[in-house]
This record gives sequence, C-alpha cells and structure tokens, in this order.
Amino acid sequence: GEDVEQSLFLSVREGDSSVINCTYTDSSSTYLYWYKQEPGAGLQLLTYIFSNMDMKQDQRLTVLLNKKDKHLSLRIADTQTGDSAIYFCAETISSGGYQKVTFGTGTKLQVIP
Amino acid sequence: EADIYQTPRYLVIGTGKKITLECSQTMGHDKMYWYQQDPGMELHLIHYSYGVNSTEKGDLSSESTVSRIRTEHFPLTLESARPSHTSQYLCASSGVRGNTIYFGEGSWLTVV
Repeated sequence: GEDVEQSLFLSVREGDSSVINCTYTDSSSTYLYWYKQEPGAGLQLLTYIFSNMDMKQDQRLTVLLNKKDKHLSLRIADTQTGDSAIYFCAETISSGGYQKVTFGTGTKLQVIP
Repeated sequence: EADIYQTPRYLVIGTGKKITLECSQTMGHDKMYWYQQDPGMELHLIHYSYGVNSTEKGDLSSESTVSRIRTEHFPLTLESARPSHTSQYLCASSGVRGNTIYFGEGSWLTVV
C-alpha cells in the first residue's frame, strides 16, 4: 500500500534555510504536494510538483524530487518566524479515473528568533 | 484563494447530541473529502465522494455518516456524539482533472 513518511520535528534559526524531507513508497504517484498548517487553521496548499519534474522553485520555496529514491524535499530559504507551522507532504495516485491522496504525518517546523 | 467553506468552525456539545458539520464549495468540484485530524497528529481520510449520490468510507473507520445530494454540499453527521469524537474535521474538494486538493479551514469539535 501507499505510505508517506516524514520526520516529526525540525528546529531552525530565523534567517537559516529549512529543509523538510519526505519519502513515499508508490512509484506511480502523479503529483506530490506540500501543505502548510498553522495552529488552529486548516491546510494551505504551498506548492506541488508533477512526478516527471526534478525541481520546482517558487520564491523562497524549492521542491526537489528524486523519483529513483522516492524522496521529496521542501527547502525554505531565509526562514521566518511566520513559517512556524506543520508541513504535510502528500502524494496522489490516479487509478481507474479516480485519484487517491495519501498524507504524511507532518513535520512541525519551529523557527527560533 | 479556494472557495470551500466549513461551518461551524468551533463547536462544543454534550454527549449524545446529534451534530452536522457543513461543507460547501463553489468551484463545481466533483470530488469531496472529509478528513479527521487530532492535534499534532496525522490526517486520516474518513469519507469521500466522487459526485452526487456517491459516498465511500475512507481509510479510518468513523461512526459519522455523509451525504451528497448536491455537488456543492457534503455534510457530515454524527447521530450521537461521544467524547471520543473530539477532533478536527477537515473538508476538501478537487476537480475532475484536479490533482490539486483544496481544504476548508476545518471544524473543531469538542464533545463533553
């Protein structure tokens, strides 16, 4: 079955770069996502990458995909205190015209001023 | 900004009460989902729908029920709430070709 794994916690100093990692098991993933969840709020889509891409950059965010190793990472440059949140990795698999989404457990990012 | 709305955002109710969590989206999406998330824990899919009159149970067993009478509306109902139902419930939707899933802001339910 599908499985998405993330480390639970990451602490960085303000201004440093953060790298949040994710591994997944199903090689038939079509899209992979990063979501951000601030305390008491719902999920906010940060960025996504199609499975035939290696990298995607969007302002301070860089997504790297190593399809061979089934490894996805999210790099946040110049991390700010407002980036403190839980970050969820997710993969979608299309099957029979439908799609299934599997989420990781989330990585809590703590930014130290 | 995605147009998917959940009400109520926060609710405290007594054991045994019936509760319906509302979810509406104005994007015309066929697919809608309910997830359950305890604080600091992972998301679990509890219900999903691929269109009107379609409802399926998700990966996590739930005592709640859902209905999909209209495309834009996907309410979740607990007939008799218990403290073990205390959690955050997140509604989401995606389009026909949509590999992007949009989430509502969540409904925090506390059963006392």
